[in-house]
Amino acid sequence: NAGVTQTPKFQVLKTGQSMTLQCAQDMNHEYMSWYRQDPGMGLRLIHYSVGAGITDQGEVPNGYNVSRSTTEDFPLRLLSAAPSQTSVYFCASSPPGRTEAFFGQGTRLTVV
Amino acid sequence: DQQVKQNSPSLSVQEGRISILNCDYTNSMFDYFLWYKKYPAEGPTFLISISSIKDKNEDGRFTVFLNKSAKHLSLHIVPSQPGDSAVYFCAASGYTGTASKLTFGTGTRLQVTL
Repeated sequence: NAGVTQTPKFQVLKTGQSMTLQCAQDMNHEYMSWYRQDPGMGLRLIHYSVGAGITDQGEVPNGYNVSRSTTEDFPLRLLSAAPSQTSVYFCASSPPGRTEAFFGQGTRLTVV
Repeated sequence: DQQVKQNSPSLSVQEGRISILNCDYTNSMFDYFLWYKKYPAEGPTFLISISSIKDKNEDGRFTVFLNKSAKHLSLHIVPSQPGDSAVYFCAASGYTGTASKLTFGTGTRLQVTL
């Protein structure tokens, strides 16, 4: 019963580097989303998807790209990392019509 | 502009007593409210929710109260247990098109002492 799996758990990047945070879910959920958690800010929505081939921006989308080619996977791409993107990133999924999102364990990203 | 606010960053409660965590919101379009619990180095886990058509929802030791006129909700945990020590996030959802997106508060760290 894997649920929502995020890789890697930790990552250090240099400013300007690119990378992809992976997210996979095995619950056949249509909705998936990415949040970032920063001290004193709670969790903020970056991008979300309501199904394969459909994505949209959340509250803080700048500097991030997403795509959804399958129901299971929803990768988050940082094209050119900046220190302001140092954060803990959470991927979540939920079935349609339900608001109780299921979260992965998070990826702690540090950009130096 | 923080649409969901948790004004108490931390709360300490003795084991066996009641814990009350508070949350305020500003957006009248929110129609569903949730509480999540988060342990260090783990993702948030869903705890309890309430629809805007209700004013109370109970699940075991956890009860959520919603006061729509005051745009306020609270989570009551009774009796509190040491394992309840965690960060609690209040979240709100307003359906927009086919998506439901969560807006989170900043969290309240609950410590249950022996």
